Amino acid sequence: DVKVTQSSRYLVKRTGEKVFLECVQDMDHENMFWYRQDPGLGLRLIYFSYDVKMKEKGDIPEGYSVSREKKERFSLILESASTNQTSMYLCASSLNPGTGYGYTFGSGTRLTVV
Amino acid sequence: AQSVSQHNHHVILSEAASLELGCNYSYGGTVNLFWYVQYPGQHLQLLLKYFSGDPLVKGIKGFEAEFIKSKFSFNLRKPSVQWSDTAEYFCAVKFRSGGSYIPTFGRGTSLIVHP
Repeated sequence: DVKVTQSSRYLVKRTGEKVFLECVQDMDHENMFWYRQDPGLGLRLIYFSYDVKMKEKGDIPEGYSVSREKKERFSLILESASTNQTSMYLCASSLNPGTGYGYTFGSGTRLTVV
Repeated sequence: AQSVSQHNHHVILSEAASLELGCNYSYGGTVNLFWYVQYPGQHLQLLLKYFSGDPLVKGIKGFEAEFIKSKFSFNLRKPSVQWSDTAEYFCAVKFRSGGSYIPTFGRGTSLIVHP
């Protein structure tokens, strides 16, 4: 089975801090994604990547950036954390979203910004 | 922009009751359809998917979904729910238009099953 591993399950950060959320997948998937999950809002796409060093903005990229230096790792960066970025962050990977494949999700990182 | 609607935000059932969760989407072209489940404290898992062929799709744990193209719907069903089905359920629709294949997720339905 594909595994998508997010480095932290829970994080508490202060307003203004730079925050790194790490995600690693072990099945050579080309495609990786970052979502945030908020009650009543479902999953909203922040950024995605189809290849190394490639990134595309999703629906809510403001306040975030990403890095994909290696195929297996996709990092989400909060340049200056704010309280409205308190959320559950989900990483996902997929063999090819242009086919019928679904996504494999990580367990999530619950980030609290105080 | 394309959208996905899940009309039931919270559903409470007793064990052995039948379940149907609604999912509608706004796009008239070719779509791939998914249902994901998130059990308490666990990660999102694929429950079932429709890509082509038979519009009645069977997934894991006794779930099934029917794609009705004329109604732009992909409703999830289970004839008899169990307490262990308590979870949040997300419908996702991958709109195959141009070069974009990113699924759009619904807002989720929280299902609570009482023993």
